Amino acid sequence: DAKTTQPTSMDCAEGRAANLPCNHSTISGNEYVYWYRQIHSQGPQYIIHGLKNNETNEMASLIITEDRKSSTLILPHATLRDTAVYYCIVYYDKVIFGPGTSLSVIP
Amino acid sequence: SQTIHQWPATLVQPVGSPLSLECTVEGTSNPNLYWYRQAAGRGLQLLFYSVGIGQISSEVPQNLSASRPQDRQFILSSKKLLLSDSGFYLCAWSVDSHTDTQYFGPGTRLTVL
Repeated sequence: DAKTTQPTSMDCAEGRAANLPCNHSTISGNEYVYWYRQIHSQGPQYIIHGLKNNETNEMASLIITEDRKSSTLILPHATLRDTAVYYCIVYYDKVIFGPGTSLSVIP
Repeated sequence: SQTIHQWPATLVQPVGSPLSLECTVEGTSNPNLYWYRQAAGRGLQLLFYSVGIGQISSEVPQNLSASRPQDRQFILSSKKLLLSDSGFYLCAWSVDSHTDTQYFGPGTRLTVL
């Protein structure tokens, strides 16, 4: 079973920040948090990952709480092309993809 | 840069027929390779992974098999397809262990009738 829980779906207005939460209360000290997204009928795409510190790249920011039991993926200015299923994954030994969050960006 | 290819893109097969899906990676050596299946509206299920030529680990017992005849080639096969084999099959690679970032191919949509 996936070690993370995410909301099933979310909406976000175009141009606004999309904040996607993820709970991983059983995370171990050496397990990374990874985020991928899957646009309809395509393979998943890597977005970002982190261990303890917050991370930022050209696609998104990852905020990890101090106790590491939850994290938030932030898309700073959502566009229609960001509509996808977003997967939050915690893994040390193997990757387990849960159902993810279906994000709809609305014009 | 590295690229990953899968073919065919779509496939419709009758129940009981054989299956062969191919995945190749370019631009890297000795990658870890993975096969996933995604049923409609569901998450990804890891089927097989390989850390080297001829080395295959199976995650889920089923009527599918995998082979890695060359360093950058990964093949998913079945002798007799079942209706339940329908789904979206994804190949992925990573540089190191399967805790490393994985890069996915475009996928093969298989429909078994």
